[in-house]
Amino acid sequence: QKEVEQDPGPLSVPEGAIVSLNCTYSNSAFQYFMWYRQYSRKGPELLMYTYSSGNKEDGRFTAQVDKSSKYISLFIRDSQPSDSATYLCATKLIFGTGTRLQVFP
Amino acid sequence: DTAVSQTPKYLVTQMGNDKSIKCEQNLGHDTMYWYKQDSKKFLKIMFSYNNKELIINETVPNRFSPKSPDKAHLNLHINSLELGDSAVYFCASSQGGQGQGGTQYFGPGTRLLVL
Repeated sequence: QKEVEQDPGPLSVPEGAIVSLNCTYSNSAFQYFMWYRQYSRKGPELLMYTYSSGNKEDGRFTAQVDKSSKYISLFIRDSQPSDSATYLCATKLIFGTGTRLQVFP
Repeated sequence: DTAVSQTPKYLVTQMGNDKSIKCEQNLGHDTMYWYKQDSKKFLKIMFSYNNKELIINETVPNRFSPKSPDKAHLNLHINSLELGDSAVYFCASSQGGQGQGGTQYFGPGTRLLVL
C-alpha cells in the first residue's frame, strides 16, 4: 500500500462547479498535510497547509483533514478555467500521484 | 526575483553521458531537496540537504550524486545516464526539514531526455 494515495483523474467539470479532490494516507503518525497545485510544465506550488484534523479555508479553497479515517480533501468552490491543473496532496516529503482537473467554460 | 531557480531547463543527451543540474534558492532556507517526477507525474524525493549536510538519501542509484557547496545551492550530478533517467527533476527548498513541517518551494524543473 502506498503511503499516500490519490485518484489520478482526470476530473472534468463545468465552470462554477464545486470540486472535491481526495487523498488517503496510511500512517496515523502523519500530522500535517499540504495541497500543491501544478500547472503544465511548471513546478508544484503550495496551495494549502493544514495541521492535524479540521478545516482550513482560503478564499475559494477549503482543505479538510479527517485523521480518524486518514482522509484529506480539497474543495474548490466556484471553479474557474484557471483552476485547471494537477493537484497533489502531500505529507512530509511524500506526495500523492496527483489528480488532473480540467474546468471547462 | 525567482525564489528557486534551476539550470538548465531542458537537457537532451545520449546514454552513457555525465550531466549536472544546478539549483539555487534566494529564500534564505536551510533545507534543499531534489525530486524526480516521472512520466505519470509521480513526484518522488531523492535527496535532502540541511545546512549543507545530507539528511535524506532515498533509494537512488549511486550514479546520482548531490553536492551542496553552500546553503543556497544544491547541484545534482548524474553519471552514465540511462534511458530510465528521463524525467523532470525538481529542486525545492524549505525552512526546516520534514520534521518541522516546513512547506516547500519548488523550482521550475529540468526536463531531462536521455536518447
